[in-house]
Amino acid sequence: AQRVTQPEKLLSVFKGAPVELKCNYSYSGSPELFWYVQYSRQRLQLLLRHISRESIKGFTADLNKGETSFHLKKPFAQEEDSAMYYCALSPGGGTSYGKLTFGQGTILTVHP
Amino acid sequence: EPEVTQTPSHQVTQMGQEVILRCVPISNHLYFYWYRQILGQKVEFLVSFYNNEISEKSEIFDDQFSVERPDGSNFTLKIRSTKLEDSAMYFCASSVTANQPQHFGDGTRLSIL
Repeated sequence: AQRVTQPEKLLSVFKGAPVELKCNYSYSGSPELFWYVQYSRQRLQLLLRHISRESIKGFTADLNKGETSFHLKKPFAQEEDSAMYYCALSPGGGTSYGKLTFGQGTILTVHP
Repeated sequence: EPEVTQTPSHQVTQMGQEVILRCVPISNHLYFYWYRQILGQKVEFLVSFYNNEISEKSEIFDDQFSVERPDGSNFTLKIRSTKLEDSAMYFCASSVTANQPQHFGDGTRLSIL
C-alpha cells in the first residue's frame, strides 16, 4: 500500500526566510513524486515533479530514496507563496500509473 | 491555456437521490480521473478511466458509483443513492497519458441533506 505523510498541517514563515515543507512516503516500488499547490480560491496545480528536476517559482524538491522523503524547499519565501501545498505519489510503471495518493496538505503562510 | 471544467460548482441533494457530476476534460487528454476530498481530510483517489473503461478504482468506488463518457467531451460521475457521507468536494482531472501530470478542475462541492 502507498502512503504519503505531510507532518505539518500549518507552517508560518516571514518573507525572505527559508521554507521547507516536509513530505515522507511509503511505497515498495519506485514511485513518482509530485508537489501540487492550491492558491486561495484556485484549483490544484502541479508545482513540480521529481523526474523533472527543475525549479519552479524558486521551489525545489529532491527525492531521497534512503529517507523516503520528498521535501519542498525555497531559500527565500515570498508572500505570494502562501497557499496549500500537497505532496502526492504515483506508482511507477505497470497498470497503476496515474493514480495519485495525496498527503494531507500543509498550509503555508508567509508573513510580510 | 486549456482547463478542465466542472459543473455544477455546488450541488445540494437530498439523501437517497441520484446525482451526476459533470466534467469536461482537456480536449487532447486521454486519461480521466475522479478524486474526492471530505472536509478536513486528504484528497482521495476514486477512479481512473481510459479508452472508455475503468482502468483502476479505489475501495471507495463501490456499486453506488459509476462513470461514463457519454459523448466526445463530457466525463461524468454518477452516485446512485446518495448518503450523508458522500458530502465532499469532488475533483475531476485529466492527463495526456497516464504518466503525464494531471490537470485538475475547480471541483464540485456536493452537499447531501
